[in-house]
Amino acid sequence: TQLLEQSPQFLSIQEGENLTVYCNSSSVFSSLQWYRQEPGEGPVLLVTVVTGGEVKKLKRLTFQFGDARKDSSLHITAAQTGDTGLYLCAGERGGYQKVTFGTGTKLQVIP
Amino acid sequence: NAGVTQTPKFRILKIGQSMTLQCTQDMNHNYMYWYRQDPGMGLKLIYYSVGAGITDKGEVPNGYNVSRSTTEDFPLRLELAAPSQTSVYFCASSSIYGYTFGSGTRLTVV
Repeated sequence: TQLLEQSPQFLSIQEGENLTVYCNSSSVFSSLQWYRQEPGEGPVLLVTVVTGGEVKKLKRLTFQFGDARKDSSLHITAAQTGDTGLYLCAGERGGYQKVTFGTGTKLQVIP
Repeated sequence: NAGVTQTPKFRILKIGQSMTLQCTQDMNHNYMYWYRQDPGMGLKLIYYSVGAGITDKGEVPNGYNVSRSTTEDFPLRLELAAPSQTSVYFCASSSIYGYTFGSGTRLTVV
C-alpha cells in the first residue's frame, strides 16, 4: 500500500517556467521531508516541514505542509537546468524517524 | 566530513552467489536504514536499526540480512542472490532533521 502519492509522475518544462509538485496522502504525518535525487546519486534532503500550514522557502523553491498534515507541495519559480532530478517527498509517522517515501516526480528542465 | 559511505559502487553477481554491501557513517547517528530503488519506483525499506545491536525488518526484508555491531557500521548481506534483487541499494542514517544517504550500490544479478 502506497501511503504517499506524488503528482505529476513526470514533468518536462522549459527553463524559466514555474511548476508545482504535489505529495498527497490519506494519512497524517508528524513531519514531511522533500529530497532531490540526481542520476547516480543518493537523495539529498532539501527541507523538513513539521507544522500544519507551514511554508518554507529555499531560494526559488517554496514548500508547504497542508493544514491537516496529510499533504504537501513544492513550487519552483523560474526553473533552471540545475533543478533537473527526481523529487521525493517522505512522511514520518509512528516515531523512530522512520519515513515512507513517495512515488517520486521526475523533473526535466530544458534549456 | 564523509557522511554515509557505501561500497562497492557497482557489482555483478551470479544467481546463487552471496555478498555483503558495506555502509558506514561518521555522524554518530543512532538510526540507520537500507533501501532499494527499482527503476521508476520510489524507495522501499529493507531493514532498519535504531542503535547498535538492534535491527528490525522493513517493507521488503526477504532475501536479506543485516547486523549492527557498532554505531558506525550497518552492512547488508544478500544470501543466494536472485534476479529479483537486481536494484540500486541505498544506505542512510538519520537525525531529527532528516536523512543522509550514501551514493548507492548498483547491483545486477545474472
